[in-house]
Amino acid sequence: NAGVTQTPKFRVLKTGQSMTLLCAQDMNHEYMYWYRQDPGMGLRLIHYSVGEGTTAKGEVPDGYNVSRLKKQNFLLGLESAAPSQTSVYFCASSPIRGQGIRPQHFGDGTRLSIL
Amino acid sequence: AQSVSQHNHHVILSEAASLELGCNYSYGGTVNLFWYVQYPGQHLQLLLKYFSGDPLVKGIKGFEAEFIKSKFSFNLRKPSVQWSDTAEYFCAGGSGNTGKLIFGQGTTLQVKP
Repeated sequence: NAGVTQTPKFRVLKTGQSMTLLCAQDMNHEYMYWYRQDPGMGLRLIHYSVGEGTTAKGEVPDGYNVSRLKKQNFLLGLESAAPSQTSVYFCASSPIRGQGIRPQHFGDGTRLSIL
Repeated sequence: AQSVSQHNHHVILSEAASLELGCNYSYGGTVNLFWYVQYPGQHLQLLLKYFSGDPLVKGIKGFEAEFIKSKFSFNLRKPSVQWSDTAEYFCAGGSGNTGKLIFGQGTTLQVKP
């Protein structure tokens, strides 16, 4: 049981380049999330999805796009990378809300550097 | 606006010392509160969670947290820390039906052997 898998683990981009981060979960979770982690700022939600084919903006969505074409996958795209997007990106998933919000399960992160 | 704040950004303790990390939230309604831990180079792992009922919640590795509604607080405690507890700790809270969590800024705990 792999849980939440993120690819790639590391990447260096030049300003203006584009790339896609892939998140895959094998727990049949409905909800998926993309966060960025920066020193002293905790985790900030970029975009999230409450089900296949649906996405919504989080706290810091500018410069990012997402897609959830399959329930198990959640893709995060950077169309034109900027140095301000240098960060560690975490994907998470959680099952559908039952009695209260369910804990989120996190991937190992993608460390992205924009030069 | 909903928010979660952690008072201590960097805590340094010696082994066997007691630990208390502060967390306050600022939104109403039904709240669900969590503490996550991130060991160096690893992903976030759930330490404990509060949904309802007993306000004293016990988690893994000897950690516990107390939900005090009147103080909007959910502080994390451990009676005796170990060097292996060196990590970053995040408090998070959520409400509503999207499963979204709001994270605090994080507290870096350094335990000296």
